[in-house]
Amino acid sequence: QQPVQSPQAVILREGEDAVINCSSSKALYSVHWYRQKHGEAPVFLMILLKGGEQKGHDKISASFNEKKQQSSLYLTASQLSYSGTYFCGTESGGYQKVTFGTGTKLQVIP
Amino acid sequence: GAGVSQSPSNKVTEKGKDVELRCDPISGHTALYWYRQSLGQGLEFLIYFQGNSAPDKSGLPSDRFSAERTGGSVSTLTIQRTQQEDSAVYLCASSYSPGSYEQYFGPGTRLTVT
Repeated sequence: QQPVQSPQAVILREGEDAVINCSSSKALYSVHWYRQKHGEAPVFLMILLKGGEQKGHDKISASFNEKKQQSSLYLTASQLSYSGTYFCGTESGGYQKVTFGTGTKLQVIP
Repeated sequence: GAGVSQSPSNKVTEKGKDVELRCDPISGHTALYWYRQSLGQGLEFLIYFQGNSAPDKSGLPSDRFSAERTGGSVSTLTIQRTQQEDSAVYLCASSYSPGSYEQYFGPGTRLTVT
């Protein structure tokens, strides 16, 4: 079953922060985050494994709450280059396939 | 090194014709995934391969869709008797192993059925 992302879309001014949430009805083994710019292929950001970890990547970080079956992506001090559609992908234990959410469209304006 | 490549980049076909889409994964990647992305939509899982076998075909929309992978490398997605609703971008991705590994996406094949 497809994970649910929120919000569906967000507009930020440069320097503002944003949080994108991803939740699943299934127990999760891992959560993937990707960014897709218009007309391009998705690009990997990070993977979080069960165990409730957090990861950081420059000013983009994420958390994974295994018990709540949720993950959040945090973008701080946003830059114009952060614009794009963010997808979370979830892997439920034993299935190995990654099911992606419908995406969150993020636009950063000057 | 070389990334994931897909061919053709664009394909326009008439309704009812068959099409073949090709994916060349990164060398050494055992897992290969096919996704479909309709305009402005998310990534719809179609099928994945571990080596030459496909443990999960659950995402194939109908029996008109089939896929194979040979030699643990190149994969072909075949759509028979294409319909207008098949129009989409078909993305291929590969990873070192299935599941909790980074997926590297190809540029996609844009299929238009007229």
